[in-house]
Order: sequence, then C-alpha cells, then structure tokens
Amino acid sequence: DAGVIQSPRHEVTEMGQEVTLRCKPISGHNSLFWYRQTMMRGLELLIYFNNNVPIDDSGMPEDRFSAKMPNASFSTLKIQPSEPRDSAVYFCASRDDRTVYNEKLFFGSGTQLSVL
Amino acid sequence: GEDVEQSLFLSVREGDSSVINCTYTDSSSTYLYWYKQEPGAGLQLLTYIFSNMDMKQDQRLTVLLNKKDKHLSLRIADTQTGDSAIYFCAVSEGGADGLTFGKGTHLIIQP
Repeated sequence: DAGVIQSPRHEVTEMGQEVTLRCKPISGHNSLFWYRQTMMRGLELLIYFNNNVPIDDSGMPEDRFSAKMPNASFSTLKIQPSEPRDSAVYFCASRDDRTVYNEKLFFGSGTQLSVL
Repeated sequence: GEDVEQSLFLSVREGDSSVINCTYTDSSSTYLYWYKQEPGAGLQLLTYIFSNMDMKQDQRLTVLLNKKDKHLSLRIADTQTGDSAIYFCAVSEGGADGLTFGKGTHLIIQP
C-alpha cells in the first residue's frame, strides 16, 4: 500500500480564499483523523471519522473549517475564508479500528499551508 | 482532558544514549506511543507500549513506563546522526478516540 496520501504537499494562498486539503487513507482503514501542527501549539486533533461518520469535531477551530468524508477512500478539509493564522502543516492519519489492540495511526506527509 | 508534556529539546553526542521523557495526566491511558518526525515528513510510528507493560525493547530502542508516576521514556542506544528528528509521545485511552500528542522533543546530535 502507498500509505496515507495527502494533496497538495504545499499550498500558498491569499487571505480570504478558499482552501481544500485532500486525503486518501490506507485501504481498509476505517478511521481517519485530521491534525494541525504549529510550533506554538504542537499537534492538535481537529476532527476524526469512523466508518465515514464524523465522531468528534470539537477540535475544529471555528465555522470556517469543515471536513467531509464522502466515502471510505477520500476526505477533505476545507477552510473558507482562510486567514493568516491558519498557516500550519495539516496532517491526515488513518487507522484500522477493527482489530483489537491495533491502535496504530499512520500519517500522511502533510500539507504545508501558507496564507498570506 | 489529557495533557502530555515533553521537553522541547535534547542534545546528545553521537554514540551516546538519548533518553526522551514524557509525562501524561490521565491514568486511564491504555496505549502509549512514540512517533518520529523527520524534516518535511509526517509522523512515523516508532514503537508503542500497553499500560500493562513496564518495558519494551526493540533493537536500539527501549521504552520504559512508570504507571504510578505517569511517566514514559524512550531510550535510544548508540545515537546516530540519522536519529536526528522530533520525537512525539502520544497516549490514548483506547477505543475509537484519537491520540493526544505531546509537543515533541527535538533531538539534536552533536558530532
């Protein structure tokens, strides 16, 4: 398997623009997580899905952020409108929750977002 | 909620052992992990330990868990330049929840 695939790797946009980040989890994994990484706050869990259903979105900063998982092989994280403080690395991770004691998260390479 | 704390930096000489420490607050944490992040890359699972274990060894890596003190450590023997990275401690209560990560420890290797 190619692992968790995220696109784009880098995104530079202007304040006010819409940004869409994409993620393809590992095939067969039934949980998907979106994290944001900044120097100040470290890794923050934004939202996670189990079997395509959002379970906990309490980490989503505000209404400008939304996430969807229309099927088991694709998820998007959208920021509209984007602001400079949204600049960070956004990671997607997936996990197979169907196996007991198999809690291991596998991460994508991340999307480096810069909002000017 | 859960709070996970790590030192931000650790500097060691090549060939020495590195010990990265982590403390957490939730005593019901069941799964404890160490992830490694190299520059420009995502996090890679390095090793993990269950809460019913005290120690786990995997080649140059030794994980020690003190459940009473809620303290987790990662020892890297014979530290090499390729070990230079950010090391994240992460804990989970299990189930379908996400992991709670520390802010990461930057391991700096001196020649």
